[in-house]
Amino acid sequence: GQQLNQSPQSMFIQEGEDVSMNCTSSSIFNTWLWYKQDPGEGPVLLIALYKAGELTSNGRLTAQFGITRKDSFLNISASIPSDVGIYFCAGQLFQGYSGGGADGLTFGKGTHLIIQP
Amino acid sequence: DGGITQSPKYLFRKEGQNVTLSCEQNLNHDAMYWYRQDPGQGLRLIYYSQIVNDFQKGDIAEGYSVSREKKESFPLTVTSAQKNPTAFYLCASSIVLASTYNEQFFGPGTRLTVL
Repeated sequence: GQQLNQSPQSMFIQEGEDVSMNCTSSSIFNTWLWYKQDPGEGPVLLIALYKAGELTSNGRLTAQFGITRKDSFLNISASIPSDVGIYFCAGQLFQGYSGGGADGLTFGKGTHLIIQP
Repeated sequence: DGGITQSPKYLFRKEGQNVTLSCEQNLNHDAMYWYRQDPGQGLRLIYYSQIVNDFQKGDIAEGYSVSREKKESFPLTVTSAQKNPTAFYLCASSIVLASTYNEQFFGPGTRLTVL
């Protein structure tokens, strides 16, 4: 199947610092997503990107859909303690309802964010 | 409250036994999904279903089976043929629209440990 390379694997930062993580793919996606997962819980969607070159913000979070459709990054500004968790990128090659409009997602391995107060 | 429920939160089974994990949603979503998560790994798709009585294999379907007899329910059976069944299992659901990605909402997960 498709592979997503997500980096870094983990980050140890001080509260208030900015954070940056990225994902690259071996193949094209037409939707990129960023999720956050707390321990023992299901992932929660943070940002969805639908168009190459798109830059989208959600509060302190900003994500971009790469022009080549093979990469995306997520930035978190002014980190706070509740930002701790695992962040996953995910991609989907949506082919329309006749081609499987409810296809599953391909996930990266996650970036574990640890914040030191 | 609307949402996705998975039960139980923790499940222990002996090696060689089949076990069924439940997933129920009251969001009126057409599509449902099962993912598996191993430590330090992302989620991997096991099976998904876009409509009642129909389902498709994902990337790692071997050793698993599903059914979709009702819109609200998508149980996953981990069979004895699954060589490494200990993992965190996540169920998700979404609406189905032809034009764009539809957000998948995840349940709280079931942690299965096979002894």
